[in-house]
Amino acid sequence: GAGVSQTPSNKVTEKGKYVELRCDPISGHTALYWYRQSLGQGPEFLIYFQGTGAADDSGLPNDRFFAVRPEGSVSTLKIQRTERGDSAVYLCASARQGDNEQFFGPGTRLTVL
Amino acid sequence: AQSVTQLGSHVSVSEGALVLLRCNYSSSVPPYLFWYVQYPNQGLQLLLKYTSAATLVKGINGFEAEFKKSETSFHLTKPSAHMSDAAEYFCAVSDRSGGYQKVTFGTGTKLQVIP
Repeated sequence: GAGVSQTPSNKVTEKGKYVELRCDPISGHTALYWYRQSLGQGPEFLIYFQGTGAADDSGLPNDRFFAVRPEGSVSTLKIQRTERGDSAVYLCASARQGDNEQFFGPGTRLTVL
Repeated sequence: AQSVTQLGSHVSVSEGALVLLRCNYSSSVPPYLFWYVQYPNQGLQLLLKYTSAATLVKGINGFEAEFKKSETSFHLTKPSAHMSDAAEYFCAVSDRSGGYQKVTFGTGTKLQVIP
């Protein structure tokens, strides 16, 4: 079956602009996670959704970052007033409820000029 | 709090040689431990996981890892390296104290396989 998909695969934007990154989880997976992977680093947790609600957003770096999952499936990560330091690969993962295995998408590479 | 330390950001082995990638963890609760592989421009793929059952865990592509509580280690091994094993490998730890998997990753080890 289809895996986790993320769009766009690459996004180049200018400092100060607004961007949206989309994640389509595996059908039926109620848990959804966003991670950020900076160059030379491992992925860092940003936010976790169980269904429609953000159960843990402790990893969001500041209030410029926001994520939604209005219908409990597709999620959008939103970044306002982008900064060069936001440049990274943003990974999405989904999981079945109660399962300990997360399935990762290919990521969106964000470059802020 | 939980953390993972991967020793060696780059490891080179000859084709056919033993692969050993080191990982030490810190966790305040019994951990779940994972190894993921990442090929260029691809997402993370789970190699294997430890979830408090057998301490020797076998994964895909001939990899295995042993959970050693006394050493707080979860090293990844493969008896004979293949060219296709060249990739970046991430060790990760999580706990379910919050009822979900909050995963903390190491900084990764890039494996180079020399023909």
